[in-house]
Amino acid sequence: DTAVSQTPKYLVTQMGNDKSIKCEQNLGHDTMYWYKQDSKKFLKIMFSYNNKELIINETVPNRFSPKSPDKAHLNLHINSLELGDSAVYFCASSPYQETQYFGPGTRLLVL
Amino acid sequence: AQKITQTQPGMFVQEKEAVTLDCTYDTSDQSYGLFWYKQPSSGEMIFLIYQGSYDEQNATEGRYSLNFQKARKSANLVISASQLGDSAMYFCAMREASGGYQKVTFGTGTKLQVIP
Repeated sequence: DTAVSQTPKYLVTQMGNDKSIKCEQNLGHDTMYWYKQDSKKFLKIMFSYNNKELIINETVPNRFSPKSPDKAHLNLHINSLELGDSAVYFCASSPYQETQYFGPGTRLLVL
Repeated sequence: AQKITQTQPGMFVQEKEAVTLDCTYDTSDQSYGLFWYKQPSSGEMIFLIYQGSYDEQNATEGRYSLNFQKARKSANLVISASQLGDSAMYFCAMREASGGYQKVTFGTGTKLQVIP
């Protein structure tokens, strides 16, 4: 039933590790997004894919690499994790140029 | 310049009263969209209401209405008959064209607390 799902919900890891967050949507939407919400609740777009093609790539360190194996999935891989990467990461999806629907978020804590 | 400005970091409202959360925006696009999202303490982002720049009527969804004043570039959210469950962060957002694609920018949020 879940429209936009993310795994894992919580991720605690050591500095320097590599981790991935997965996102899946069953809404049939063409466009998917990754957002980062920092400790002050500021929400900023990182990436956007439309039909598996990268269309928005904000100023994000190269350590972050999105991958969209198909229209329903958009994964986020993070290399060499740093303390400042600790945040909540939200996946979202939308029909092209319409309202975005968010996943539950992944709370990443880098120690 | 900020694309989306929410000037109220925090608001209190008495249960059953109405409350207005302010949002102003800045764009040179003619076609754009404005959204409000709710984020309760559990963390999920819940879509509340949408207003397109060409919509002549103010959007309404149940107890939520969007007071759209295009000339003033404001898109305030009005919550009528506040309930305890309305206590949450509220984010205003705008979709506009960016490099041929649509991009959404969020405001800094307003924390609403409903008092019994």
